[in-house]
Amino acid sequence: AQSVTQLDSHVSVSEGTPVLLRCNYSSSYSPSLFWYVQHPNKGLQLLLKYTSAATLVKGINGFEAEFKKSETSFHLTKPSAHMSDAAEYFCVVISEAFNTNAGKSTFGDGTTLTVKP
Amino acid sequence: GAVVSQHPSWVICKSGTSVKIECRSLDFQATTMFWYRQFPKQSLMLMATSNEGSKATYEQGVEKDKFLINHASLTLSTLTVTSAHPEDSSFYICSADTGLGQPQHFGDGTRLSIL
Repeated sequence: AQSVTQLDSHVSVSEGTPVLLRCNYSSSYSPSLFWYVQHPNKGLQLLLKYTSAATLVKGINGFEAEFKKSETSFHLTKPSAHMSDAAEYFCVVISEAFNTNAGKSTFGDGTTLTVKP
Repeated sequence: GAVVSQHPSWVICKSGTSVKIECRSLDFQATTMFWYRQFPKQSLMLMATSNEGSKATYEQGVEKDKFLINHASLTLSTLTVTSAHPEDSSFYICSADTGLGQPQHFGDGTRLSIL
């Protein structure tokens, strides 16, 4: 079984300040983890992915995330928020298990990021 | 990178009509595609998994006769909402699988409004 919990439904930051979007996961097998961003009326764009290589993953637009197995976390960070970062963010886990759920993604409920000028 | 094209992006139609949404992988072959439904301010809800050359696998509670899925080629999957009603109004998103443990690539979604 696998699950994803995004700990904050809404995060509000000021432009130029750091961003932290929290994600905890559970997985019976070695997981692959992803962060996606969704702008209004758009599909999801991949920000970054963790697939058992380096635990600190760098993505697009200055975002990065750190996989912490001991804490079962995969929090998304950015040093300095930009107005264009305002969007919905989803944490996703795929469990690499050889069963009927193999490859099936589990989505978190999403975090709405608001960036104030 | 892998690009998924979804068409149309917006549909407005009368109750009782059928609507077809296309999902194409433009620069790669996708044996598996996924169809999601998203309500406002909510996460994506997986409706069905579409496999090329075979019947789609529907999630529990999704009416397969209502939401017809066809995946006739390695680059195209279609979702047809049959006899659509206002409660079917939603944002529908497709994605293509790029391998076990690899990220899905998403289309831009289709906003369906049934009057």
